[in-house]
Amino acid sequence: SAVISQKPSRDICQRGTSLTIQCQVDSQVTMMFWYRQQPGQSLTLIATANQGSEATYESGFVIDKFPISRPNLTFSTLTVSNMSPEDSSIYLCSVEENRVYNEQFFGPGTRLTVL
Amino acid sequence: AQSVTQPDIHITVSEGASLELRCNYSYGATPYLFWYVQSPGQGLQLLLKYFSGDTLVQGIKGFEAEFKRSQSSFNLRKPSVHWSDAAEYFCAVGSGSARQLTFGSGTQLTVLP
Repeated sequence: SAVISQKPSRDICQRGTSLTIQCQVDSQVTMMFWYRQQPGQSLTLIATANQGSEATYESGFVIDKFPISRPNLTFSTLTVSNMSPEDSSIYLCSVEENRVYNEQFFGPGTRLTVL
Repeated sequence: AQSVTQPDIHITVSEGASLELRCNYSYGATPYLFWYVQSPGQGLQLLLKYFSGDTLVQGIKGFEAEFKRSQSSFNLRKPSVHWSDAAEYFCAVGSGSARQLTFGSGTQLTVLP
């Protein structure tokens, strides 16, 4: 399976600022996904990032708040913009290992605290 | 739309005891089913998966799961729990062509010495 790293692993940010989270994969993958895990909650899909095209956002998530870049087949970034305390969550990227069966592998996550 | 229910929010077992975590899904077609584990401060690790064929699937760390179509269930089992198994466990269903995973709410496992 692919090895996935995320930077930063954690951060504490001030309200109103923005944070960019990086996701790096050790092999080329077509589909990458970004999830949010709010404290004590399950995972919610933010968007799907396909190289060479605009990210596809899920209901409740907008590009202005969570812009995503996917410049190549091994890298993606998620920016959390104009942060508020409600954005405090773990943000995880994942990659699709098996297109037919939706098998995904996850990075270690970025724990974000907004004060 | 698919959905996943994990009815047990929190389970406590003694080390060495057997474990069963419940997962029920709702999906109109043949489901692709997964169990993930999340240790504190970590990402998600894939424990096992079911796509087709044998309904009893084996995973890592001694875990297994059984797919029961008649009950729409995919319960996770382990015959003897180790203290290192304490973590949160998530069941997920894949949606095929939509290429998305839908996760259950998770079950927190505590292991007593």
